[in-house]
Amino acid sequence: AQKITQTQPGMFVQEKEAVTLDCTYDTSDPSYGLFWYKQPSSGEMIFLIYQGSYDQQNATEGRYSLNFQKARKSANLVISASQLGDSAMYFCAMRGRDNFNKFYFGSGTKLNVKP
Amino acid sequence: DAGVTQSPTHLIKTRGQQVTLRCSPKSGHDTVSWYQQALGQGPQFIFQYYEEEERQRGNFPDRFSGHQFPNYSSELNVNALLLGDSALYLCASSLEQPPHTQYFGPGTRLTVL
Repeated sequence: AQKITQTQPGMFVQEKEAVTLDCTYDTSDPSYGLFWYKQPSSGEMIFLIYQGSYDQQNATEGRYSLNFQKARKSANLVISASQLGDSAMYFCAMRGRDNFNKFYFGSGTKLNVKP
Repeated sequence: DAGVTQSPTHLIKTRGQQVTLRCSPKSGHDTVSWYQQALGQGPQFIFQYYEEEERQRGNFPDRFSGHQFPNYSSELNVNALLLGDSALYLCASSLEQPPHTQYFGPGTRLTVL
């Protein structure tokens, strides 16, 4: 069975500082994909970053990077130079090889950026 | 490039009624997935459509059904509404090619009274 765990219900970060949001996963598939999404209060899920299980390097997209530690089954999101607009819910998701495009989501982390 | 669109944005129904939600995928995408997101939780997979067929289904009762049209747009139907069906319903579209990134619409917020 596939499972995503996000253990931080809420996080605070000072504006312009970096923050790490934790995500661990459980799967028996040798091939899988890991994704992070941002969900502002408006409700729309915004795709941030993707990491494939066979990718050798950690993914980066602008201020977002993914700290992928395969042996530990963790895929933490790092946001550098936080901005007030980063305040939102953040969800980690996984797609397994045998489940086509079915995504499994974690319970999310609420990030608050303080001015 | 138009993203995923959903209609309506909000809906209020009473118990026992039926509802239809609509989704148009991102341009060029051929796969549509539907998710239910209860307040304070992560999205839960309902089902996925590809080539007008339901390909995958999550742990939802038969009251939840769907359809995909030749233009790849999709509908989610829920019959005999229960109070517990109140949630944000998200539609996501993707390509068949890896990495199968799902792009979401703004959602439809359903309230069942």
